[in-house]
Amino acid sequence: GIQVEQSPPDLILQEGANSTLRCNFSDSVNNLQWFHQNPWGQLINLFYIPSGTKQNGRLSATTVATERYSLLYISSSQTTDSGVYFCAVTTSGTYKYIFGTGTRLKVLA
Amino acid sequence: DTAVSQTPKYLVTQMGNDKSIKCEQNLGHDTMYWYKQDSKKFLKIMFSYNNKELIINETVPNRFSPKSPDKAHLNLHINSLELGDSAVYFCASSQGWQRNNYGYTFGSGTRLTVV
Repeated sequence: GIQVEQSPPDLILQEGANSTLRCNFSDSVNNLQWFHQNPWGQLINLFYIPSGTKQNGRLSATTVATERYSLLYISSSQTTDSGVYFCAVTTSGTYKYIFGTGTRLKVLA
Repeated sequence: DTAVSQTPKYLVTQMGNDKSIKCEQNLGHDTMYWYKQDSKKFLKIMFSYNNKELIINETVPNRFSPKSPDKAHLNLHINSLELGDSAVYFCASSQGWQRNNYGYTFGSGTRLTVV
């Protein structure tokens, strides 16, 4: 089955810093989402982005499907950005989201 | 209004008991899912229903049985609970389940602890 690897696994930032999270996948995908799991455990949908670039406030995401990766950019990080970031993908014929390994982000005040 | 709601939020029970977790969505979606998140935060799909029909059934012990009385509800019943069932269980919904399903909306999770 498809492998979904995220990097880095852990990241500590000072408030105000910028960061880039990466999601690599081993096969072609139909759908791709980025989620944020906050410290209370809630999973928040950030982007649905099977291809192209999207922006929402301080967050933006780019997926290059032909090269099998997606990037999540966080600018001017805030302590509320702390948590785990997941990318999840579906492949042709399966239609179930396979989650990546996650990036644990901690933003220090 | 909560889009995808799960009850209960926390569940502590003894080994061998039978328990149920309920999920309801008011988004008008036609597909619902159950995911399990283990202690290392890894999320794995268990089941999916589309318009009350089971479409995904992963390698899950048959002690776990999903039930979908209508497309807005998907419940999870677990028989003979074991210590290894302790985890956070997430319900999710989407409009459509095939190509371009426009993504999931998750519930807030149910933390199950088996003692």
